[in-house]
Amino acid sequence: AQKVTQAQTEISVVEKEDVTLDCVYETRDTTYYLFWYKQPPSGELVFLIRRNSFDEQNEISGRYSWNFQKSTSSFNFTITASQVVDSAVYFCALRLIVGAGSYQLTFGKGTKLSVIP
Amino acid sequence: DTAVSQTPKYLVTQMGNDKSIKCEQNLGHDTMYWYKQDSKKFLKIMFSYNNKELIINETVPNRFSPKSPDKAHLNLHINSLELGDSAVYFCASSPKPNTPYEQYFGPGTRLTVT
Repeated sequence: AQKVTQAQTEISVVEKEDVTLDCVYETRDTTYYLFWYKQPPSGELVFLIRRNSFDEQNEISGRYSWNFQKSTSSFNFTITASQVVDSAVYFCALRLIVGAGSYQLTFGKGTKLSVIP
Repeated sequence: DTAVSQTPKYLVTQMGNDKSIKCEQNLGHDTMYWYKQDSKKFLKIMFSYNNKELIINETVPNRFSPKSPDKAHLNLHINSLELGDSAVYFCASSPKPNTPYEQYFGPGTRLTVT
């Protein structure tokens, strides 16, 4: 069975600070996808990024960056120069590429980020 | 155009009632899902359907019965509602699972059982 751990339940930062959200996953499969979703106070789930297990390249998108390290089974998410609009719950998730596990996302419990003006 | 839509957005009902939540996607996806988000924000898969066929039924009480009349719809019917069923229910869809696509989520239905 798959498992995703987001050890940080809540984080508060002051606007313009950088913040890293941790994600550690467990799976016996060698092929899988990792995701980050954002859930703002309005409640919808917003897709941020997908990485597959073959590609360990880090990715940067504006103020967002992701660090995927297969050796430590981690897929961390950094927000640079945080803004109030970044306040949300962030979920890390895993999906297998084949088998029954490909038909579901296994989510972490989420990290609530509060950016204080 | 809304990609994945759910109705209703809010649902308040009493214990023991039967209710349904509807989900429709206009993305042409093959696979649809129901997830439950509890009061602690934990998201967990309930059901997955692929081409109207049930693939995943994740230890959900049999009071919950999904129905997929066609590929674009996956409705959730709940019998004899209990207080513990209060949650936000998200519908989602995606292309075939072995393709590199994310799941697209609907806006959620907040169910409150009193």
